[in-house]
Amino acid sequence: DSGVTQTPKHLITATGQRVTLRCSPRSGDLSVYWYQQSLDQGLQFLIQYYNGEERAKGNILERFSAQQFPDLHSELNLSSLELGDSALYFCASSVRGSLETQYFGPGTRLLVL
Amino acid sequence: KNEVEQSPQNLTAQEGEFITINCSYSVGISALHWLQQHPGGGIVSLFMLSSGKKKHGRLIATINIQEKHSSLHITASHPRDSAVYICAVRFTGNQFYFGTGTSLTVIP
Repeated sequence: DSGVTQTPKHLITATGQRVTLRCSPRSGDLSVYWYQQSLDQGLQFLIQYYNGEERAKGNILERFSAQQFPDLHSELNLSSLELGDSALYFCASSVRGSLETQYFGPGTRLLVL
Repeated sequence: KNEVEQSPQNLTAQEGEFITINCSYSVGISALHWLQQHPGGGIVSLFMLSSGKKKHGRLIATINIQEKHSSLHITASHPRDSAVYICAVRFTGNQFYFGTGTSLTVIP
């Protein structure tokens, strides 16, 4: 158990819908990362937050947005969902957000029908 | 262009064998991570390297910054080592890029 929690574990929804994925980092970790893993594109970095501020941005679509709240939990919002958004979404956390080990959550499996 | 190349894609070994997985990248990095993904999907970070060599149990990771290359070694491999091993690189622009993974199967 990494200490990082993600909810929900599984999510099935329809095209065009909007969903919110939630991540709670390990106690004491200030940085949160979001990743997408799909069968055709493998793992991709989406975005990183550090203590509420965006630190780095990867291949995050404009239909996706994220934020980190004062209690350090983070949410990833996915809107206007398409079939291709079906993937495993991982959250990871680390203490400071630079040059250190990341601890991964169990992932949220999203299926868009 | 930021690229991460990992080899081999698939690897089958007999229990006890010494295993090497390689990762090469194209431009300067700030850190390289080796990740292990279990058949159930969970990801564990094995190492974070910015230089030199690290060892944890039967796992050893090395990085050569000049050659832009890293290796993950598993000594005395065991069936429980069967997993996908993924190289992840943080380029100096703070972007993360991932290799396509090496699927390792260790046969008893």
